Amino acid sequence: DTEVTQTPKHLVMGMTNKKSLKCEQHMGHRAMYWYKQKAKKPPELMFVYSYEKLSINESVPSRFSPECPNSSLLNLHLHALQPEDSALYLCASSPRQVTDTQYFGPGTRLTVL
Amino acid sequence: GDSVTQMEGPVTLSEEAFLTINCTYTATGYPSLFWYVQYPGEGLQLLLKATKADDKGSNKGFEATYRKETTSFHLEKGSVQVSDSAVYFCALISGGGNKLTFGTGTQLKVEL
Repeated sequence: DTEVTQTPKHLVMGMTNKKSLKCEQHMGHRAMYWYKQKAKKPPELMFVYSYEKLSINESVPSRFSPECPNSSLLNLHLHALQPEDSALYLCASSPRQVTDTQYFGPGTRLTVL
Repeated sequence: GDSVTQMEGPVTLSEEAFLTINCTYTATGYPSLFWYVQYPGEGLQLLLKATKADDKGSNKGFEATYRKETTSFHLEKGSVQVSDSAVYFCALISGGGNKLTFGTGTQLKVEL
């Protein structure tokens, strides 16, 4: 089983809203990732958690706040987003470290009005 | 730094045609190489991978061989189907790297 799940599938929010994206995996993976993907572009890495600790933050604005409550769950808290933040947000996981094969979830399509 | 170069798309083929999508890379050391596929409206799915020189990754009729001498990892399929229409991303991670490096993606359209 190489399944990563993400909820919600679609999200529409205003610029003053606070919302959260959720990602879950039950493969026993210890590295989890958030990516942002704009249309017709490859995914861009945002954050990496390794063994529940934030190990990489790719200079992402503070309106995006990641959280890793346990080894199976990854959240992305959103606050005061801008319309240009509209994108597909992908979660991924890998067995132990960044150099392992990454498995992606189906993504959350975010629209900021 | 690490980089991946893919052929420009879109690539349009008739059903049952032979597919090649070129991918070349620049990386330090001996990277692991991947092909991911993204169907419309979906996330990325791992299609195949190779972790050392001369390895051949294969899945669902697709194949790619890790060629260290030409720094290439071209994707091939002998007979494409309409259901193969998607965007294909070549990617790598080098041994000392801290993130997956993607190519720009190649859109494949297969017509009846």
